[in-house]
Order: sequence, then structure tokens, then C-alpha cells
Amino acid sequence: QKEVEQDPGPLSVPEGAIVSLNCTYSNSAFQYFMWYRQYSRKGPELLMYTYSSGNKEDGRFTAQVDKSSKYISLFIRDSQPSDSATYLCAMSYGPGGSYIPTFGRGTSLIVHP
Amino acid sequence: EAGVTQFPSHSVIEKGQTVTLRCDPISGHDNLYWYRRVMGKEIKFLLHFVKESKQDESGMPNNRFLAERTGGTYSTLKVQPAELEDSGVYFCASSQEHTEAFFGQGTRLTVV
Repeated sequence: QKEVEQDPGPLSVPEGAIVSLNCTYSNSAFQYFMWYRQYSRKGPELLMYTYSSGNKEDGRFTAQVDKSSKYISLFIRDSQPSDSATYLCAMSYGPGGSYIPTFGRGTSLIVHP
Repeated sequence: EAGVTQFPSHSVIEKGQTVTLRCDPISGHDNLYWYRRVMGKEIKFLLHFVKESKQDESGMPNNRFLAERTGGTYSTLKVQPAELEDSGVYFCASSQEHTEAFFGQGTRLTVV
């Protein structure tokens, strides 16, 4: 079983739709949870991170962590064609352990006009 | 401010040859990381420098890979001799302490 599972997609949605991206993980020791966005031929860029369980909102983006279910989500409201990219979840141990992230495979998102 | 830059952006070499990838981190970032993504797989950690010292090289696949960071500035990753399974995209990232790591655009390595 992989440490981090993420459906590679592609996920195709119309402009304005609410997008839900998800990851599951197996290691309960992970404490930091991150979402990266990667455009074609570019490196990943950090979108959001959360520590432990809970929700975090930043503009049109909301990250949720459910540690009891080992499940994290990223919601994108009012999706735009410019949101088309690969979204990678990642997680790390944090304080007392390593901050180096373990990545999921990434989900390819296509938002069409 | 310049971001993380990697050279070359793309390299095609024959099996058995040597290739050296270079990464210039953001100025002032003591932490430098190398990652690799093989097609269809996850981005995998290779190693971590703090200044010129290797902090963690647990992800290095074998002794054909050699990473250096001269004077705690830029870093090189040499593959010698290259094998077909080394093909992929090699990313470098840098950070201050445990803050956000900034990634370069990657070097796409193709071994034929």
C-alpha cells in the first residue's frame, strides 16, 4: 500500500464548477498536509498547508484534513480555466520528525470555458 | 528576486553516459532538496542539503548518483553511468529553515 494515494484523473469540469480533489494516506504520524499546484513544464508551487486536522480557507480554495479517516481534500470554488493544472497533495511529519514531504501522484484538472 | 533555477531544462543522453544537473537555489536558502519524478509515479525525495552538508540522502537510488553542494551555494547531481530507468524529471527545491520550499522548473532527463 502506498503511503499517499491520489487519483491521477484527469478531472474535467466546466468553468464555475466546484472542484473537489482528494487524497488518502496510511501513516497516522503525518501532521503537516499540503497542496501543491503544478502547471505544465513548471515546478510545483505550494498552494496551502494545514497542521493537524481542520479546515483552512484562502480565497477560492479550502483545504480540509480529517485525521481520523486519514483523508484530505482541496475544494476550489468558482473554478477558472487558469486553475487547469496538476494538483499534488503532500504530507510530512513536522515537529519531532522530518519536514520533507511525501507526495501523491497528482490529479490533473482541466477547467473548460 | 530570482527563483530556483535548474540547468539544463532538458537532457537526452545514451545509456552509459554521464550527465550533470545543476541547481541554483534562492539566495540565502540554506536548505536544498533534490527530487525525482519518474513518468506516471509520485515525486520522490532524493536528498537534502543544509548548507554544504548532506542532511539526509536516504532517497538516493544507488551509488551511480552523486550530489554535491559547493560552498553551500549551487548544487550538482551527477548520474554516472546513466541507465534507462534514470529517465524522469529532476526537481530541485530550496527553503529557509522549515518554511515553504520553492521548486525549480525541473530538468527532464531522457536516457536512450
